[in-house]
This record gives sequence, C-alpha cells and structure tokens, in this order.
Amino acid sequence: EDQVTQSPEALRLQEGESSSLNCSYTVSGLRGLFWYRQDPGKGPEFLFTLYSAGEEKEKERLKATLTKKESFLHITAPKPEDSATYLCAVRLNASNMLTFGGGTRLMVKP
Amino acid sequence: DTGVSQDPRHKITKRGQNVTFRCDPISEHNRLYWYRQTLGQGPEFLTYFQNEAQLEKSRLLSDRFSAERPKGSFSTLEIQRTEQGDSAMYLCASSGGGSGYGYTFGSGTRLTVV
Repeated sequence: EDQVTQSPEALRLQEGESSSLNCSYTVSGLRGLFWYRQDPGKGPEFLFTLYSAGEEKEKERLKATLTKKESFLHITAPKPEDSATYLCAVRLNASNMLTFGGGTRLMVKP
Repeated sequence: DTGVSQDPRHKITKRGQNVTFRCDPISEHNRLYWYRQTLGQGPEFLTYFQNEAQLEKSRLLSDRFSAERPKGSFSTLEIQRTEQGDSAMYLCASSGGGSGYGYTFGSGTRLTVV
C-alpha cells in the first residue's frame, strides 16, 4: 500500500535555528513529490515539485531535496512568519490524485 | 484571476440535512479536485474531474456524496443525510495539467454537523 509519512509531527524552533522536516514515502511509480505550506483556516499553498532522486529546489529560506525513499525540507534561519503546517504529497504514475502525509506543524519563536 | 474560490466558507448543519458546496477553479484550469481534511491530518482525495468528466473517485466517497462539474467550469459537492463524521474542511483544487504544476487549492469550506 502506498504510504507517505512525515516527521516530526510538530517542531518548535527559535528564530534563526535551522532544521529539517522529513517526508518518507513507500510508493510504486512516483511521478512527483510536492511540498505545500498551510496556514490555519486556509488551503495548502504550493511550494515545490520534485521529480527524481538528487533533485533540489530552493525558495527564500526553504530548500527541498529528494532521494529514492524520502524528501527533506530544509529551513535555514527561520523567522516567526515561517510558522505553519508543512505538507508533503506524492503523485503516482497513471493517477491524478495527490496522496498527502499528515504534515509537520512548525512553530518559530522570536 | 483571483485563484480558486469556494463557497460558503463555513457551514453548520443538523445531522440528516443535505448540504452543497461550490468551487470555482482558476478559469484556464481544466482539472478539478475535491479533498477532505480533518483536524491535524493531511487532505484526503475524494474525486477528480477533467473538464466535465469525473475520472477518479476515492473509496471515501460514499453514495451519500455526489459531485458534478457541468460544462467543465464550476463544480458542486453535495452530501446527503449528513452525519457527524462528515464534519471536516472540504478543499477544492485545480490544475492546468502537466505533473509539474502544483495544484492550486481554495481556502476550503468548513462543515460542522451538529
């Protein structure tokens, strides 16, 4: 069965304290791995798509990487406004749906 | 274009009542998706439309749930005989095709069944 697992479930950081969020997946035929940010009461906001092992993408303080079994979202020198839930999702070959992990709730304190 | 719009934002209904939600996708997107999200969980796929054709449905979509997308534009999701377990955020997303583009989500409709 296809599975997407995110860890940790929650993460508290001090402003400026860099860290990484993990998304591990067990799927057959990965077509793409997506990262989203979700603020309370809002829909997920697209961040990145990764396609193949070794690929990396960056946006401001965020950098996403992909291996054959997991993806990491690295947050460098986070700010309080980076506080949100970060979701990863996979899209499989021959499917149009995204399968999401449970998310990591990030809290950055000033 | 203001993105994906969902209406209403909040809905409180009594158990056993029927409810209908509306989603207006980004105008040039031909693909539309419905997801359900409960507190502390990631979104779960419900159904997918390409233009007006409903091409994928989740096992989660019981026979009390029905979705339509007439003329390939807006979509509606109806839940009949609501149950307390239906309380969740219902999210709509759209995409223009191509696996590389992130699906654009709306802000969702929060349903509370009392």
